[in-house]
Amino acid sequence: NAGVTQTPKFRVLKTGQSMTLLCAQDMNHEYMYWYRQDPGMGLRLIHYSVGEGTTAKGEVPDGYNVSRLKKQNFLLGLESAAPSQTSVYFCASRVGTGGTYEQYFGPGTRLTVT
Amino acid sequence: GDSVTQMEGPVTLSEEAFLTINCTYTATGYPSLFWYVQYPGEGLQLLLKATKADDKGSNKGFEATYRKETTSFHLEKGSVQVSDSAVYFCALPPTGGSYIPTFGRGTSLIVHP
Repeated sequence: NAGVTQTPKFRVLKTGQSMTLLCAQDMNHEYMYWYRQDPGMGLRLIHYSVGEGTTAKGEVPDGYNVSRLKKQNFLLGLESAAPSQTSVYFCASRVGTGGTYEQYFGPGTRLTVT
Repeated sequence: GDSVTQMEGPVTLSEEAFLTINCTYTATGYPSLFWYVQYPGEGLQLLLKATKADDKGSNKGFEATYRKETTSFHLEKGSVQVSDSAVYFCALPPTGGSYIPTFGRGTSLIVHP
């Protein structure tokens, strides 16, 4: 049981390049989330999904797109990277209904845009 | 809307000192309450939780009691270790039909030998 995994762990991009971050979970969770974490800013929600084929915007969605084609995977795309997107990105998942709704986090992807 | 307020950090302590990290919240109803911990270079992980008023969550020597009257969930540990150095987040699950949890800004704890 790997929990939540993220690929890649590190990446350096040049301004204007594109990339996709992959999040995978093996817990059969319905809900998945993408956050970014910057010094002094806490966690900020980018996008989230409450089920396969559904996505919704969070607090800071501009410059990012997401897709949830399979229940276990949640992809975060940067179409044209900007230095302001330098951050650590975390994916999280949780059960949809029932339980106490704690989130399970991945180990993070550290992205630098030059 | 829901909100979580944590004390500002960093909190710097010597090994074996007593730790308190304050957390107060505003929420609809009486949701579960969580403390997450983030060790350097890692993702967040659940440290402890409480599901109803007066519940005490505990794990790894840390404790927090769900205080409905004061809307607080302060984190305490009687004797911290260097290995407790991390960032601690107080959090609420989604309430009132929302799908979005609420996290505090995080409190950094640094423990010196």
